[in-house]
Amino acid sequence: RKEVEQDPGPFNVPEGATVAFNCTYSNSASQSFFWYRQDCRKEPKLLMSVYSSGNEDGRFTAQLNRASQYISLLIRDSKLSDSATYLCVVIQAGTALIFGKGTTLSVSS
Amino acid sequence: GAGVSQSPRYKVAKRGQDVALRCDPISGHVSLFWYQQALGQGPEFLTYFQNEAQLDKSGLPSDRFFAERPEGSVSTLKIQRTQQEDSAVYLCASSLEGTGDEKLFFGSGTQLSVL
Repeated sequence: RKEVEQDPGPFNVPEGATVAFNCTYSNSASQSFFWYRQDCRKEPKLLMSVYSSGNEDGRFTAQLNRASQYISLLIRDSKLSDSATYLCVVIQAGTALIFGKGTTLSVSS
Repeated sequence: GAGVSQSPRYKVAKRGQDVALRCDPISGHVSLFWYQQALGQGPEFLTYFQNEAQLDKSGLPSDRFFAERPEGSVSTLKIQRTQQEDSAVYLCASSLEGTGDEKLFFGSGTQLSVL
């Protein structure tokens, strides 16, 4: 079982839609959580950190559920420019970042 | 420099050839990471340096893979006797302190194709 699992998608949604991605992690000792965004043939870039209390950045909301060991990302009012692969990232103490396989989002007009 | 720089951008190697991939992290960044990303997959951890010390190399897939960062800045990932399964994008990333709770800055990667 992979340490970080994501539904690979693709998620195909129209502009303006709300879409949610989930990610599960296997190690309960995981300490820090992030969502990264990766455009086609580009490097990953940090989208947002994920906190236990939940956090919001404009149209993006991230949630962490430690009891169930999952992380979510909600995108409201999807834009064409949101089309990308979204990578769930987990850090355990003293280790490097562990990436999920990514969830592909395609927003169409 | 302004960002993490990797070279070459593309590398084509014949099976059995040795290759060396270079990473220039952001100046002053303590931590440096190497990841391997196959097509359609997320980045897979290879190895991690804090300054010149290689703290974790558990992700290196075989003893054909070797990484170094002798002066705590530039790093080189070397792959000996390349195999077709080594074909992937090799990503380098750096972070300011490497506490594990901070942003990673990635380079554009080196796309390695082994024929």
